[in-house]
Amino acid sequence: KAGVTQTPRYLIKTRGQQVTLSCSPISGHRSVSWYQQTPGQGLQFLFEYFSETQRNKGNFPGRFSGRQFSNSRSEMNVSTLELGDSALYLCASSLDSPRGSGNTIYFGEGSWLTVV
Amino acid sequence: DQQVKQNSPSLSVQEGRISILNCDYTNSMFDYFLWYKKYPAEGPTFLISISSIKDKNEDGRFTVFLNKSAKHLSLHIVPSQPGDSAVYFCAAKRDGGTSYGKLTFGQGTILTVHP
Repeated sequence: KAGVTQTPRYLIKTRGQQVTLSCSPISGHRSVSWYQQTPGQGLQFLFEYFSETQRNKGNFPGRFSGRQFSNSRSEMNVSTLELGDSALYLCASSLDSPRGSGNTIYFGEGSWLTVV
Repeated sequence: DQQVKQNSPSLSVQEGRISILNCDYTNSMFDYFLWYKKYPAEGPTFLISISSIKDKNEDGRFTVFLNKSAKHLSLHIVPSQPGDSAVYFCAAKRDGGTSYGKLTFGQGTILTVHP
């Protein structure tokens, strides 16, 4: 069974540009969430999508956005990139069952973004 | 407001001995806890989880203990192996409700297992 797949793995962008990252969840998983990891802030929740709707949102500016498609695949976009957006962006998926082990969240390998 | 805390930035253990990683939380709404292992520039790998209705969960060399009254959990690795050397993250979430995909992470503990 394939895991969470993220593309691209590495990318370099210039300040002011925008970037789109893609994520394919584990087959059958309907919840997709995104996290940012930086050395200073650790792992922080960005947002979560379920059935093409944003269900939860973290404390990030509006420059960070996402969407989910009918096949559960998701994309996140960062507009007007800043140097501080350099980070590892992680996508995660889960079965989204009400209780117990269906709540386990599995992560992809991440997309490493460098803003110069 | 750090709702999940791992107060030990690092831990060094001899191969074959027990590794104990600790985690504290403050939000009483958290009732599902997970441990992840992570290497630099890679995604976290799920290790083991525990629901608040339990106080212990075992999976091979990994055991997680939950003390709900103290809002404390720990991960025991026995016996420790050099391949266990990585950063370990504790994470918490609400089990059910509308926060399915939202994890709150601790800062991580760097585990080094010496041969």
